[in-house]
Amino acid sequence: DVLMTQTPFSLPVSLGDQASISCRSSQSFVHSNGDTYLEWYLQKPGQSPKLLIYKVSNRFSGVPDRFSGSGSGTDFTLKISRVEAEDLGVYYCFQGSHFPFTFGSGTKLEIK
Amino acid sequence: EVKLLESGGGLVQPGGSLKLSCAASGFDFSRYWMSWVRQAPGKGLEWIGEINPDGTTINYTPSLKDKFIISRDNAKNTLNLQMSKVTSEDTALYYCARRGVWFAYWGQGTLVTVSA
Repeated sequence: DVLMTQTPFSLPVSLGDQASISCRSSQSFVHSNGDTYLEWYLQKPGQSPKLLIYKVSNRFSGVPDRFSGSGSGTDFTLKISRVEAEDLGVYYCFQGSHFPFTFGSGTKLEIK
Repeated sequence: EVKLLESGGGLVQPGGSLKLSCAASGFDFSRYWMSWVRQAPGKGLEWIGEINPDGTTINYTPSLKDKFIISRDNAKNTLNLQMSKVTSEDTALYYCARRGVWFAYWGQGTLVTVSA
């Protein structure tokens, strides 16, 4: 299985700050078609997860441009510039290239 | 508007069985891979498995392969999860999600509680 390790577990930030979340995989997970299906999801309290980023760096429709994804190989990062109150919640990375698909353990973004 | 509505959750005894369903609307259900994802109380997300559009290919996370069966009825726009031999570790909120090539749409989940 591809193990996805997220750090930090908790990320206290001040509104307006930049936030960075790391996701490292136990092995590379490039799909046979050449794509890397690394996604980022945000789960706000009491809600279902929502897609932010797909294929490492592509913002999903309607996602503000303060969210950006980057990385390759086994090292991926989600950055949020100028954190807003609506960004608070738990962020999960996810690999959908190799079975079984796997989520990271989550990073809770909270107000400092 | 895409909608996914899970149902069938509830209280089940250890060792028992339960069938969850996910009613899909607002899109051509028969064209999409569909997945089940669960979340134990206060814990992270766990991918359970997925099924291809015509139901002929199903992939599971290995630890659940012998307990859970994913199926679909394209005529009824419904995704199913048959759970068996449940234990307290199966207590969770169960989500269905549409996977084009990513999980763009999720239901609100149905809660399964395993307890005597």
